[in-house]
Amino acid sequence: EAQVTQNPRYLITVTGKKLTVTCSQNMNHEYMSWYRQDPGLGLRQIYYSMNVEVTDKGDVPEGYKVSRKEKRNFPLILESPSPNQTSLYFCASSLRQGYTFFGQGTRLTVV
Amino acid sequence: GEDVEQSLFLSVREGDSSVINCTYTDSSSTYLYWYKQEPGAGLQLLTYIFSNMDMKQDQRLTVLLNKKDKHLSLRIADTQTGDSAIYFCAESISNFGNEKLTFGTGTRLTIIP
Repeated sequence: EAQVTQNPRYLITVTGKKLTVTCSQNMNHEYMSWYRQDPGLGLRQIYYSMNVEVTDKGDVPEGYKVSRKEKRNFPLILESPSPNQTSLYFCASSLRQGYTFFGQGTRLTVV
Repeated sequence: GEDVEQSLFLSVREGDSSVINCTYTDSSSTYLYWYKQEPGAGLQLLTYIFSNMDMKQDQRLTVLLNKKDKHLSLRIADTQTGDSAIYFCAESISNFGNEKLTFGTGTRLTIIP
């Protein structure tokens, strides 16, 4: 079954404590991306990757890092989380236009 | 630039039709999507339309596209309580052959019994 898997689904952490949200896809897609969803703002793209070792900033990259060492994995790293990064995060992968798959989401709370 | 706008709230009586509207700005969009998000759940792709189409119908869902006005709408016929959700419209831009999605703010649809 085609899937984008994110972990964890829920996370509560404290300000400044580094965390990683993992994302994995089993469809051999080259393109992967991260979005955050905030009330009244919709989903905004944080970072994207067009292939292994190729990443670039999206619309709201500040405070985030990503890496793409393997095609299937695209982790999102928060080196020093702050309360304004409390949000719902979605990972996505796509083969081409019209074929974007989303993960189930990770709800992050930073206190 | 890319900008997608939707109204934030819509209330509809059960059994009536719901119409959710969306405007977008990027005329190079090739696909336009409607996603549904139920409380506590992820994003479910409801339907999409190619930019060279005017209308697409899929069971209770009808998508209308006015490319000249950059206006997209989703009509849900015979709205049921299970249709309560947030509905996002999104435009798709080709990013070197890959897909970059720009989402609207989402419209929260509430069904009145």
